[in-house]
Amino acid sequence: AQTVTQSQPEMSVQEAETVTLSCTYDTSESDYYLFWYKQPPSRQMILVIRQEAYKQQNATENRFSVNFQKAAKSFSLKISDSQLGDAAMYFCAYRSPFSGYALNFGKGTSLLVTP
Amino acid sequence: NAGVTQTPKFRILKIGQSMTLQCTQDMNHNYMYWYRQDPGMGLKLIYYSVGAGITDKGEVPNGYNVSRSTTEDFPLRLELAAPSQTSVYFCASSYVGVDTEAFFGQGTRLTVV
Repeated sequence: AQTVTQSQPEMSVQEAETVTLSCTYDTSESDYYLFWYKQPPSRQMILVIRQEAYKQQNATENRFSVNFQKAAKSFSLKISDSQLGDAAMYFCAYRSPFSGYALNFGKGTSLLVTP
Repeated sequence: NAGVTQTPKFRILKIGQSMTLQCTQDMNHNYMYWYRQDPGMGLKLIYYSVGAGITDKGEVPNGYNVSRSTTEDFPLRLELAAPSQTSVYFCASSYVGVDTEAFFGQGTRLTVV
């Protein structure tokens, strides 16, 4: 079974600064995607960014980018120019054809943004 | 376009009672999922469905049942509620494929007392 590990229960960043959230995963599969989801206090799950395992180029979405190290099975999220609205729980997730393409989530990292 | 709609948003249940959490999606997605989220934990898969009439167990199926009679609806049934089922429940749906985005409902906060 695939496991997703987020080793940072909580992180803090000042407004306008950069923060990196860590994620590692364990798999023997070759066809998979990795995702970062954001969960604000409203509970809504919001897709932040996704990365295909076959692509070496790291995905970028505006202020959000990933550092994907396939051999190390590492998938970190970098948030640049942090904003107060970035405060939320962030979940790393793995998806493969196993279990009907269900997402397999890490435990999450709570991000606090201070003025 | 409503996306994924879950009802109710909140519910308090007594031990031993039963209830059904409703989930409906209007995006014609074949794949639907039920997850539970406990405090300090990520989402864990309860059941999933790859199409009408087809369901399968996820990581934590005990104490739950599902059915999928239509593409749109995927209700989750709790029989004989227990305090261990106190959690936030999420329904999600997606098209087939490892790269497709999963869309989530707003969740149901269930407390069993």
